[in-house]
Amino acid sequence: QSVLTQPPSASGTPGQRVTLSCSGRSSDIGSNPVKWYQQLPGAAPKLLIYSNNQRPSGVPDRFSGSKSGTSASLAISGLQSEDEADYYCAVWDDSLNVWVFGGGTKLTVL
Amino acid sequence: QVQLEESGGGLVKPGGSLRLSCVASGFMLSGYYMSWIRQAPGKGLEWLSYISETGTYTNYADAVKGRFTISRDNAKNSVDLQMNSLRAEDTAVYYCVRVSVSTAFDYWGQGTLVTVSS
Repeated sequence: QSVLTQPPSASGTPGQRVTLSCSGRSSDIGSNPVKWYQQLPGAAPKLLIYSNNQRPSGVPDRFSGSKSGTSASLAISGLQSEDEADYYCAVWDDSLNVWVFGGGTKLTVL
Repeated sequence: QVQLEESGGGLVKPGGSLRLSCVASGFMLSGYYMSWIRQAPGKGLEWLSYISETGTYTNYADAVKGRFTISRDNAKNSVDLQMNSLRAEDTAVYYCVRVSVSTAFDYWGQGTLVTVSS
């Protein structure tokens, strides 16, 4: 069971905006910046968002991150078929002194 | 460009050992923490270990503490993961990952599959 809680699945239609959630605790999300990773089928994960809401170069601005208290969200606007992937949140946990991941959300583009 | 290439995966019996290696290129390895992260078949990501730039500091997830050892050789641009007392639940794809101060796990290798089975 993952320390961070993500819904196992989400879906949307092309062009739609979807929001994926990640819930944690005061010692992890409540204390440290959240990262988001995208894992396309058969590929290694790729950094999508760091420091809660920063995009690495090359990541489209359709992807945005936010954090409030002990929860974080990843929003994808203008949904495209190539966005169909698994999405993971991650953060350092001050209490456990380890990195923790969410269980991942499988996003389906209908 | 930054590249991380893992090797050493394979089939091993329960209780056995395996050593994974990761060769880095395209950046100065000595300037970064490095981590190993794994993914069991059909499951999510699990952080296993990190090692500091010079190897002074290491940390492990409880699931592998005492069984796995991370090490590095900056001169050879490599990071290793020695895995002992392997169990069926260690079956996974193992990723070598660069750790950046602000972006955390910013570059990932393609992974190497470890299968623990009799």
